[in-house]
Amino acid sequence: EVQLVESGGGLAQPGGSLRLSCAASGFTFSSYEMNWVRQAPGKGLEWISYISSSGTTIYYADSVKGRFTISRDNAKNSLYLQINSLRAEDTAIYYCARENNDWLLDYWGQGTLVTVSS
Amino acid sequence: NFMLTQPHSVSESPGKTITISCTRSSGSIATNYVQWYQQRPGSAPTTVIYKDNQRPSGVPDRFSGSIDSSSNSASLTISGLKTEDEADYYCQSYDSSNRVFGGGTKLTVL
Repeated sequence: EVQLVESGGGLAQPGGSLRLSCAASGFTFSSYEMNWVRQAPGKGLEWISYISSSGTTIYYADSVKGRFTISRDNAKNSLYLQINSLRAEDTAIYYCARENNDWLLDYWGQGTLVTVSS
Repeated sequence: NFMLTQPHSVSESPGKTITISCTRSSGSIATNYVQWYQQRPGSAPTTVIYKDNQRPSGVPDRFSGSIDSSSNSASLTISGLKTEDEADYYCQSYDSSNRVFGGGTKLTVL
């Protein structure tokens, strides 16, 4: 069974940093592209970053470019999102999602909540 | 970068049919697949339509998808509405370096 489990969220201060993790199981992690998607409270889904299966190709949404860093460790079956210079508008549930060959985000984690507040 | 525009909300009675549109702002809707996700409160999104018009196993055939190049839009149609269909629905597509979601449509089944 495919499972994606995010962790690392919590309450953080403006200007601070957080590192989110996504532990993958039930599939060959190194064969799949991965994404991070966030959802602010009461708002819609926002794609924020993509990483290729090998980690060599990375994309970011303009809204997070320069502050967010996506990475992966295929030996540990894990995906990461480093968030720096946190802002109130980064408050959201952060989901990791697997992407298949049809550009479909076919499996999602349950999300981890990041709250940015002083 | 392009945008996908959806109606904010749709409401209809059980047993009826609704269609949710998803209009691409630039570039052809036919160039890249459109996916549709359903999200119930407190849950992660799940796929109801992929590759424009394909239904994952387990999704009832009441759900269908299509694209219309003349209006540069995709559509999700749900027939025989059930109260369990009440949820938020998001279209999603991509280009060479971005994945893009529509703003979402809240479906209310009265």
